[in-house]
Amino acid sequence: SYELTQPPSVSVSPGQTARITCSGDALPNLYAYWYQQKPGQAPMLLIYNDIERPSGIPERVSGSTSGTTVTLTISGVQAEDEADYYCQSADSSGAYVIFGGGTKLTVL
Amino acid sequence: QVQLVQSGAEVKMSGSSVKVACKAPGDTFSNYGITWVRRAPGQGIEWMGGIIPVLGTVDYAQKFQGRVIISAATSTAYMELTSLTSEDTAIYYCARERGVEGAKGRYFDYWGQGTLITVSS
Repeated sequence: SYELTQPPSVSVSPGQTARITCSGDALPNLYAYWYQQKPGQAPMLLIYNDIERPSGIPERVSGSTSGTTVTLTISGVQAEDEADYYCQSADSSGAYVIFGGGTKLTVL
Repeated sequence: QVQLVQSGAEVKMSGSSVKVACKAPGDTFSNYGITWVRRAPGQGIEWMGGIIPVLGTVDYAQKFQGRVIISAATSTAYMELTSLTSEDTAIYYCARERGVEGAKGRYFDYWGQGTLITVSS
């Protein structure tokens, strides 16, 4: 079955840049989305349509795409960025929603 | 700010069913869909299915086909999961769904607070 592949964990020091990747064969043809989830909270949309930021999301959060990989970049990482991050798209038919396995961002 | 308000936590017996409600602002169902996901302890987010009330269309993840029923009435969406097992212990979320022109994507911009369902054997 179709999967979106994320690294299980990423660790960065405060002020550095975190990059979280998500790979899937259908990503060149379908948009990807990114969500942040902190403990005890609902997920929150960070990026839509590969690169767009909803209002209220800071400019230091950005999305990019290259071939079968999309990347979430968080610049100037802060302690408050420590969370689980999920990419989301659809399967190759475009019909079914797929989430990546999630990446735990640790701020050292 | 769009608020989706979900029903409260429940403890269910193995083999039983649960129905979770998600109340949305008045205009939501005219313009958007509602999707349901869950997150089990130590696991990632798992999509269960969604509904577009204005079209009356529903789709389900293959994993849950035949075991989940998603419906909507007035301003409230529902997710009913049957034949519960301990593996269904999770927090269940509803979210407002937006589609993208050309069917290039669908995504979730506002979320409910989550409903903890605990299945006891």
